[in-house]
Amino acid sequence: GAVVSQHPSWVICKSGTSVKIECRSLDFQATTMFWYRQFPKQSLMLMATSNEGSKATYEQGVEKDKFLINHASLTLSTLTVTSAHPEDSSFYICSARSLAGGYNEQFFGPGTRLTVL
Amino acid sequence: AQSVAQPEDQVNVAEGNPLTVKCTYSVSGNPYLFWYVQYPNRGLQFLLKYITGDNLVKGSYGFEAEFNKSQTSFHLKKPSALVSDSALYFCAVRDQAGTALIFGKGTTLSVSS
Repeated sequence: GAVVSQHPSWVICKSGTSVKIECRSLDFQATTMFWYRQFPKQSLMLMATSNEGSKATYEQGVEKDKFLINHASLTLSTLTVTSAHPEDSSFYICSARSLAGGYNEQFFGPGTRLTVL
Repeated sequence: AQSVAQPEDQVNVAEGNPLTVKCTYSVSGNPYLFWYVQYPNRGLQFLLKYITGDNLVKGSYGFEAEFNKSQTSFHLKKPSALVSDSALYFCAVRDQAGTALIFGKGTTLSVSS
């Protein structure tokens, strides 16, 4: 149980285009989902926290107009990188928090490798 | 604010020897502590967590970690390292308020045969 999927697993796009990444909790309902960004050989940096049905909360320094997050249901959150540029190339990892377990559990997706040419 | 420190960028051990990957934390209130492992171009794999109870926590693949409140540490240990343990290890923490996990910078473990 507690599986989180991401789609696509990797994507290559041209500079200036937009890319959408999906994060799904497959076998549980997630009221909260988190989006992290990881540069090569570096730590995971929290980008934003999204709660189902409400606007995402972005961490300081993260452009909300560039990284659009939608958490439309209890099992799906999307991250759209708008007008992508090469500096947006990174590994994006989503995480979903289960309703059960007293909010102790945070499950991670396998990540999406974005390369912007 | 919560924070996690992993003081070592890399830890090198020989196969069969014990290993320790260090982690210290700072949170207000009681901490929820986690260790994850990441292989190249892969997502995070959960190893173990401390929420409450015994200070020595046993996890996956023979790993364990000891919670030390006075030293605010949560070091990851394994009695006998394997070459296949070579990977990037992250310590993470959050407080009881249920905020997102905050990660340390990561420690690369290299186990030589």
